[in-house]
Amino acid sequence: AQSVTQLGSHVSVSEGALVLLRCNYSSSVPPYLFWYVQYPNQGLQLLLKYTTGATLVKGINGFEAEFKKSETSFHLTKPSAHMSDAAEYFCAVSDKTQNFGNEKLTFGTGTRLTIIP
Amino acid sequence: EAQVTQNPRYLITVTGKKLTVTCSQNMNHEYMSWYRQDPGLGLRQIYYSMNVEVTDKGDVPEGYKVSRKEKRNFPLILESPSPNQTSLYFCASSRFGHEQFFGPGTRLTVL
Repeated sequence: AQSVTQLGSHVSVSEGALVLLRCNYSSSVPPYLFWYVQYPNQGLQLLLKYTTGATLVKGINGFEAEFKKSETSFHLTKPSAHMSDAAEYFCAVSDKTQNFGNEKLTFGTGTRLTIIP
Repeated sequence: EAQVTQNPRYLITVTGKKLTVTCSQNMNHEYMSWYRQDPGLGLRQIYYSMNVEVTDKGDVPEGYKVSRKEKRNFPLILESPSPNQTSLYFCASSRFGHEQFFGPGTRLTVL
């Protein structure tokens, strides 16, 4: 069974500081990995995804994540935080063993990011 | 505009009163799914559908029903809601092998 662990349910950083949100996964097969962002009272928006190929993935709003198979990690980073980055962030993993099966995403419990002015 | 819509966005109801949350997508996606989001638990899959008339249980299907009579619509039915179904519900859709698009969510309170 797949699982996702997000370390830190709440993270606070100062505006302009580095953002680092941690995600570790467990999967018996090569995973597809995702980061989603949820702004207050809104749905989930895809930030970035890793499927195959380059392990450093760039997403929207200046975020990027690196897939490290040896560490089973997919941490999300942004060099300089903006006030508009305040939101909840979810890491998710998908089992892609078959082309036409359940595309279920297994989510972590989320990390709420607060930006300090 | 490509989107997933859900209605209602907010609903307060009482135990045992049947309700339906609608979900519609305009992207001609084959795959659709329902999740519930609870504090400290993240999102968990309730049901999914791989195409018209093809549905199956996710991880937490108890107390829910779904149907997929048309490709664009995937309603979630609570025949006899209970307080433990108070949650935030999301519908999602995708083409196979591509990113999932999420609706704006439906906040349900069962008294």
